[in-house]
Amino acid sequence: GAVVSQHPSWVICKSGTSVKIECRSLDFQATTMFWYRQFPKQSLMLMATSNEGSKATYEQGVEKDKFLINHASLTLSTLTVTSAHPEDSSFYICSAEGGQGRRNTEAFFGQGTRLTVV
Amino acid sequence: QKEVEQDPGPLSVPEGAIVSLNCTYSNSAFQYFMWYRQYSRKGPELLMYTYSSGNKEDGRFTAQVDKSSKYISLFIRDSQPSDSATYLCAMTGGTSYGKLTFGQGTILTVHP
Repeated sequence: GAVVSQHPSWVICKSGTSVKIECRSLDFQATTMFWYRQFPKQSLMLMATSNEGSKATYEQGVEKDKFLINHASLTLSTLTVTSAHPEDSSFYICSAEGGQGRRNTEAFFGQGTRLTVV
Repeated sequence: QKEVEQDPGPLSVPEGAIVSLNCTYSNSAFQYFMWYRQYSRKGPELLMYTYSSGNKEDGRFTAQVDKSSKYISLFIRDSQPSDSATYLCAMTGGTSYGKLTFGQGTILTVHP
């Protein structure tokens, strides 16, 4: 299957600082990328959808000014958690949906980033 | 009420058992149904996807969808300890295969 790489795998940051998480599609061009958040023992909740070169679409209840998403190329999307607070501590997972010959019946997930805000 | 309901378990079975995992949903617009496996602190990996109602088999895994009942199932035959993981059902209306609504996930342990 296709490879989606997410970096870092885990990060600890101080309250009030910002953290950037990268999501890269390594062997295909991702026309659309998705960012999910997963709290312990809970399901993945979609935060936002990003298309290359355009503004992200955020799900209801997700603060767009707090969770900045940039999808500058067909292989890279970034999520920046600004002014992080302990309640932002969670597992953040990206997925990428492909074009350019990649069959569009599957989205490929990164390995996730565990963010701990102290 | 959540759009997708899934019993979180945990479910513990002996090696070799048949495992049945289920989800119910309320949104009749869902057309594509997936099952993902997630190991601890890892991203989900796709096991199977099914379009509309019917059965699909892949090795030891069988996925069933009953749209009339809004009920989907995943069966694992001859379960192995390596199958121990969290199993997530997910579904979408079809406009985007990546914009998924997930169930809570069922924690499965297969013990030797």
